[in-house]
Amino acid sequence: EAQVTQNPRYLITVTGKKLTVTCSQNMNHEYMSWYRQDPGLGLRQIYYSMNVEVTDKGDVPEGYKVSRKEKRNFPLILESPSPNQTSLYFCASSPTGLGDTQYFGPGTRLTVL
Amino acid sequence: GENVEQHPSTLSVQEGDSAVIKCTYSDSASNYFPWYKQELGKRPQLIIDIRSNVGEKKDQRIAVTLNKTAKHFSLHITETQPEDSAVYFCAAIPSGSARQLTFGSGTQLTVLP
Repeated sequence: EAQVTQNPRYLITVTGKKLTVTCSQNMNHEYMSWYRQDPGLGLRQIYYSMNVEVTDKGDVPEGYKVSRKEKRNFPLILESPSPNQTSLYFCASSPTGLGDTQYFGPGTRLTVL
Repeated sequence: GENVEQHPSTLSVQEGDSAVIKCTYSDSASNYFPWYKQELGKRPQLIIDIRSNVGEKKDQRIAVTLNKTAKHFSLHITETQPEDSAVYFCAAIPSGSARQLTFGSGTQLTVLP
């Protein structure tokens, strides 16, 4: 089944404790992206990747890192999480770029205490 | 950068009536405008999109119209059904970028039985 998966789905952590949210797609898509969703703000893009070893900042990259060592994986890293990073995070992928349909993962609900 | 404004933030309609959601964008060179539907607790899913060389696009009960001069585009849902209840997001790709997607803040549509 073609899909985008994220893990974990739910995470409660404390300020300053490094964490990684994994994202994987099995559709051989070139483009992958991370978004955060906050009430009243819609979806805001954090980072995106056009292909392996090619990543770039979105609208709200502060406090986040990403890597794209393999085509299928695009992990989101929070080196020192803070409470303002409490949010719902979505990973998405599309075949070549944003002019294609984006397929979203199921989301990761992160709470930073 | 691109700025996308979406109205209304909440919309209630009687089953069978039509619903219209409007978005305005700031970058006159934006050329791709997707609409996503997000049901409660689920991931966003693309329902329809339109490109700047087209004025209107229909898919069964859903249509999107684009007015490039006024820089706005609208989602029209006819003969609404309870399963249309969800949050709808519009989005736009800024000029010069096929990599970043700017979303509106979302519209909570409730279809009343």
